[in-house]
Amino acid sequence: DQQVKQNSPSLSVQEGRISILNCDYTNSMFDYFLWYKKYPAEGPTFLISISSIKDKNEDGRFTVFLNKSAKHLSLHIVPSQPGDSAVYFCAASISNFGNEKLTFGTGTRLTIIP
Amino acid sequence: DTEVTQTPKHLVMGMTNKKSLKCEQHMGHRAMYWYKQKAKKPPELMFVYSYEKLSINESVPSRFSPECPNSSLLNLHLHALQPEDSALYLCASSQEVKSNIQYFGAGTRLSVL
Repeated sequence: DQQVKQNSPSLSVQEGRISILNCDYTNSMFDYFLWYKKYPAEGPTFLISISSIKDKNEDGRFTVFLNKSAKHLSLHIVPSQPGDSAVYFCAASISNFGNEKLTFGTGTRLTIIP
Repeated sequence: DTEVTQTPKHLVMGMTNKKSLKCEQHMGHRAMYWYKQKAKKPPELMFVYSYEKLSINESVPSRFSPECPNSSLLNLHLHALQPEDSALYLCASSQEVKSNIQYFGAGTRLSVL
C-alpha cells in the first residue's frame, strides 16, 4: 500500500520554463512533507519542506504548495536549470511519532532540456 | 557541513560471507537511520538509532544487525544474506529523532551472489 504517490515517473521541461512535480498522499495523519533531490550515485539531498499548518513555502527558485483537502503537494522550480535534472522524491512524516519515519514516494525523474 | 559518509561505495558478497557497512557523520546529530532502496522503488526504513540506542526496527531479518558504537558512527553487519537483499543501502542522520530533516549519505550498493 503506497501511502505517498508520485504518478509521473518522468518529466521533461525546457530550460528557463517552470517545472511542476506532483505528489499525492493517502494518510491524513501526515503533517510534515519534504522534497529530496537525487543525482545518480549520490544519496538524496534535502531540498525544501512544508508543515501542514502552511500551504506554501518558498526558497529561492523552489516553492512547495500543500493542498490538505486534496491530500496533494507540488514542487515548482522556476526558472528550471540543467543542473535541476535529477530524480525528485517527496516524503511525508507524522509529528506525533517523532518524525523518525519518512515515507517516500517512488520518485519523478526530471530532465531539463537546454 | 551536512555530510554523511558511507563506506564502501560498492560491495559484492557471497551468501556465506560476513561483511559490514559503515556510516559516519560529524554534525553532532543524535539520530541515525538505515534505509534500503531497491531499483525503481523508494527508500524503505530499516532501523533508527536515537542517542546510540535502537529505537525502531522495522521487522528487519536478523541477518542484518545494526550497531551504533558512538554518536558519530553507525554500522550495519551483514551475515548469510540472500540474493534478494541486493540493493542500495542508505544511511541518514538528523539532529534528533524529532527533527524533520534527515541528511543522507551516498549509499552502499550491495550485490549478493
